[in-house]
Amino acid sequence: AQSVTQLGSHVSVSEGALVLLRCNYSSSVPPYLFWYVQYPNQGLQLLLKYTSAATLVKGINGFEAEFKKSETSFHLTKPSAHMSDAAEYFCAVSEGYSSASKIIFGSGTRLSIRP
Amino acid sequence: DTGVSQDPRHKITKRGQNVTFRCDPISEHNRLYWYRQTLGQGPEFLTYFQNEAQLEKSRLLSDRFSAERPKGSFSTLEIQRTEQGDSAMYLCASSQEPGQGKTEAFFGQGTRLTVV
Repeated sequence: AQSVTQLGSHVSVSEGALVLLRCNYSSSVPPYLFWYVQYPNQGLQLLLKYTSAATLVKGINGFEAEFKKSETSFHLTKPSAHMSDAAEYFCAVSEGYSSASKIIFGSGTRLSIRP
Repeated sequence: DTGVSQDPRHKITKRGQNVTFRCDPISEHNRLYWYRQTLGQGPEFLTYFQNEAQLEKSRLLSDRFSAERPKGSFSTLEIQRTEQGDSAMYLCASSQEPGQGKTEAFFGQGTRLTVV
């Protein structure tokens, strides 16, 4: 079965600092990987997805993630944090042969931004 | 199209009562998913449909839970004899099936259920 593990339930950075949210995956087949963001009392919004086309994936709001097969990682980064980035972030893997399959989520990382 | 919509956004019910939630997917999407999210956790898969066919159900979906998508458009999720442990955010998502272009799932804003 596929799974993802998010390292750190809470990350706090200063405004303007680098954001790094860690995710490791487990999959017996080439995975489809995602990062979603969730603002309070809202649904999930897709930030970016990896579908084997390129290992460095750029998403919305200046976020990007790099797929590293050797490390089974898919960490999310942003060079300069903004106050509006404060939210819950979920790494996820698609359990199937395409991204339109059941998605398995990690437990989430809450990102706080210090002024 | 305004995206995936869920109704109601919030529901408070007494233990033992039945509740029903509705999800309207993006119109051209033929896959529809239900997830449950408890406080501080990631969403957990419950079930999904392709058109009107329910293709998979999680073991989290006890006998008290039933989901339908009768005409392959909107879906309902019913919980019978609610328990306090059912308190959660219930999220709906939709996507196109594989081979039909962009296949990422789009989520609704969820229905927050509180059982008192």
